[in-house]
Amino acid sequence: GAGVSQSPRYKVTKRGQDVALRCDPISGHVSLYWYRQALGQGPEFLTYFNYEAQQDKSGLPNDRFSAERPEGSISTLTIQRTEQRDSAMYRCASSLARGRGNTIYFGEGSWLTVV
Amino acid sequence: SQELEQSPQSLIVQEGKNLTINCTSSKTLYGLYWYKQKYGEGLIFLMMLQKGGEEKSHEKITAKLDEKKQQSSLHITASQPSHAGIYLCGADHSGGGADGLTFGKGTHLIIQP
Repeated sequence: GAGVSQSPRYKVTKRGQDVALRCDPISGHVSLYWYRQALGQGPEFLTYFNYEAQQDKSGLPNDRFSAERPEGSISTLTIQRTEQRDSAMYRCASSLARGRGNTIYFGEGSWLTVV
Repeated sequence: SQELEQSPQSLIVQEGKNLTINCTSSKTLYGLYWYKQKYGEGLIFLMMLQKGGEEKSHEKITAKLDEKKQQSSLHITASQPSHAGIYLCGADHSGGGADGLTFGKGTHLIIQP
């Protein structure tokens, strides 16, 4: 697609429910990143993929968070047993390749509210 | 402590005036990205700087990278209402490129007519 597409844009869920957030990167982009942004803060790195391989998941807060990109294109970030502290904007980004000099493009984000 | 500090946190500027936003890193910079965020919207890529002394411009926005001082500045000339928003700097601290950026908390810019 023309840009990074995320869905849903807004999600309200009850505490304890599982949530799946989807990211469709720019066509042809090898690297895909997930970030989380709380109100008044900058985005915080969660994890990233090169093709289908998850290269770094050091930013995932705990084992309730997982991400996959099975075919090297669309990615899903899953949060199990959601808690109120998980409420935030979840941003996906992609770049043509890994390495210096590659611009990272962000999607519009998915607002998650856990009630 | 914050790895990437932005200043000021917020800025109110009269339309037509110039302004500067700063971004200072506590770690070596291998690249510095500037983004703009409007409420409820995505991050819009503005510029990427890689080399010390590098300067880039886009319309009325200029960004510079001082690698030795580990800081970057974003300068807007003759500000307009369309410049309002949150400006975020993101640092590549890994040297491996886009493995994940560290972001500052942002500078909230308001333009007064």
